[in-house]
Amino acid sequence: EEQLVESGGDLAQPGGSLRLSCAASGFSFSEYWMHWVRQVPGKGMLWVSRINSDGSSSSYADAVRGRFTISRDNAKNTLYLQMNSLTVDDTAVYYCARDDRGADDALDVWGQGAMVTVSS
Amino acid sequence: DIQMTQSPSSLSASVGDRVTISCRASQSISRYLTWYQQKPGEAPKVLIYAASSLHSGVPSRFAGRGYGTDFTLTISSLQPEDFATYYCQQSYSSVITFGQGTRLEIK
Repeated sequence: EEQLVESGGDLAQPGGSLRLSCAASGFSFSEYWMHWVRQVPGKGMLWVSRINSDGSSSSYADAVRGRFTISRDNAKNTLYLQMNSLTVDDTAVYYCARDDRGADDALDVWGQGAMVTVSS
Repeated sequence: DIQMTQSPSSLSASVGDRVTISCRASQSISRYLTWYQQKPGEAPKVLIYAASSLHSGVPSRFAGRGYGTDFTLTISSLQPEDFATYYCQQSYSSVITFGQGTRLEIK
């Protein structure tokens, strides 16, 4: 079964840092671009970041550029999101998702989500 | 960034009804449009990709149409499990954007 499992969600203080991990299984992780998407509970979805298959290229939403860093370890089948200088507006459920480039970049496999709460 | 606008924001319908949700892009996105279904407490699931291609395992009562800036998702005969929130998403731009969602409720 193709699966993504996020971890690392927690309560953080404004200005603090967290690192999310996303462990992939059941598919060839190194062949896929990967994304992070976040969602405030009860609200819509916001794309956060993308990384290509070998980790050499990435892009970010304006809201997180310069504060968040996406990376991956293909040997460990794991995607990461390093989040620094957190603000209360970063509070959300963070999903990792697989990009199916053969389906016009539809995000076809999603994790269960990791809750990040930023509060003093 | 490309803005995606869905309508309506919410919709009440009955089992067996035919419903259509619209999604409009602020500029042409060719066919780079995906529809997702999300239920409370769950991650989104792909229904339609490339504007009109049915994702594996998705029932044929779901259909997508459109090209350029205007797209629709139609559910031909609503089933109880279809009551959920639906999102469109463009992947034409390197900055992916989602519609605000359409909540489909039971009448």
